[in-house]
Amino acid sequence: KAGVTQTPRYLIKTRGQQVTLSCSPISGHRSVSWYQQTPGQGLQFLFEYFSETQRNKGNFPGRFSGRQFSNSRSEMNVSTLELGDSALYLCASSDPLAGATYQYNEQFFGPGTRLTVL
Amino acid sequence: SQQGEEDPQALSIQEGENATMNCSYKTSINNLQWYRQNSGRGLVHLILIRSNEREKHSGRLRVTLDTSKKSSSLLITASRAADTASYFCATNQFYFGTGTSLTVIP
Repeated sequence: KAGVTQTPRYLIKTRGQQVTLSCSPISGHRSVSWYQQTPGQGLQFLFEYFSETQRNKGNFPGRFSGRQFSNSRSEMNVSTLELGDSALYLCASSDPLAGATYQYNEQFFGPGTRLTVL
Repeated sequence: SQQGEEDPQALSIQEGENATMNCSYKTSINNLQWYRQNSGRGLVHLILIRSNEREKHSGRLRVTLDTSKKSSSLLITASRAADTASYFCATNQFYFGTGTSLTVIP
């Protein structure tokens, strides 16, 4: 199976702009999670989408939003960019269903989108 | 905070030696996972251990979990230069620690 893909790989924006990042999960995976990675804060959880619904959410301001489409592809949007939003944004997909029960399983990460805010 | 905390922050060993890193956490967990990240292969899942398990093995990796002490350890035996990477624990799927940077010297 093809792995998790993220586009674009690199992005440069200026303060105040907005940005949309895209993530295509592994075929058959219905859960997509987003993370922000910075040298100072490490890997921070943004949110998880499962079957087009936000199931879990981290502690980020409302400027960070996401959505998931019926084919499980997901987008993340950051509005009114700040310098501190410069980071590597990672998405991960997983297959959380064991029969009819939702349970946490291993995540497969994409290569990330490197966002630089000037 | 639901995030784990790895210890040590950095570890440097000779090839062939064993490497042990620890993860402590504060909340109750459903599972704990270990991941490796290096520049070449990105973030890769290593092992998942559920709260009702005490030990798991995968190749040269051994993970233990002590829920009474809220801690987990990752042991890499017979280390190789290719094991050089940062290692993270993640509690309840989403909450990653700050990582242990492992350097294996050939």
